[in-house]
Amino acid sequence: KQEVTQIPAALSVPEGENLVLNCSFTDSAIYNLQWFRQDPGKGLTSLLLIQSSQREQTSGRLNASLDKSSGRSTLYIAASQPGDSATYLCAVSHTGFQKLVFGTGTRLLVSP
Amino acid sequence: DAGVIQSPRHEVTEMGQEVTLRCKPISGHNSLFWYRQTMMRGLELLIYFNNNVPIDDSGMPEDRFSAKMPNASFSTLKIQPSEPRDSAVYFCASSLRTALRDRGRPSPYEQYFGPGTRLTVT
Repeated sequence: KQEVTQIPAALSVPEGENLVLNCSFTDSAIYNLQWFRQDPGKGLTSLLLIQSSQREQTSGRLNASLDKSSGRSTLYIAASQPGDSATYLCAVSHTGFQKLVFGTGTRLLVSP
Repeated sequence: DAGVIQSPRHEVTEMGQEVTLRCKPISGHNSLFWYRQTMMRGLELLIYFNNNVPIDDSGMPEDRFSAKMPNASFSTLKIQPSEPRDSAVYFCASSLRTALRDRGRPSPYEQYFGPGTRLTVT
């Protein structure tokens, strides 16, 4: 059974810092990995999707990497801003299936 | 596009009552997913459809839960009878399931979520 873990569970940083969020999964037979952002009381916003054949994806100040063989992904946020404060979730899907298995999330607080 | 639309946004009901949650996926998407989010268990997939056909309902907790997708633009999740432990936020998501990656189109299987329905059963 696939298990997805995110470390740390919570992170507090001052504005302007670069930071890394970690995601690990137990079964490397994934089809893709998706990073989401969730604001309090809101739905999930897709940030980046990495196919299993890819090593990284970039969008603006965000960069997600994938090391499928070791079961790890990282989300790098450059020059963090207070508006980045949210919970970040990673999720993986398996080859041939579309269902996503979610991690427990990292709650990020960026203070001005 | 307006994105995935869910209604109602909030629902408060008494134990034993029937609850129906509704979802309208993004136009053109052919896969639809129902998730439940709680503090204890995080986000869990309940059921998903491809081309209106249920593919995997292994996450549906009990027979009290049922889901339908009568057409490509509408799905319902019904709980009958509801219980306090069903209190959670229920999300609907949709995606475009395709074997091809066309330039300018969303990545295959990228899921887009609705705002959720916060259900409270007293």
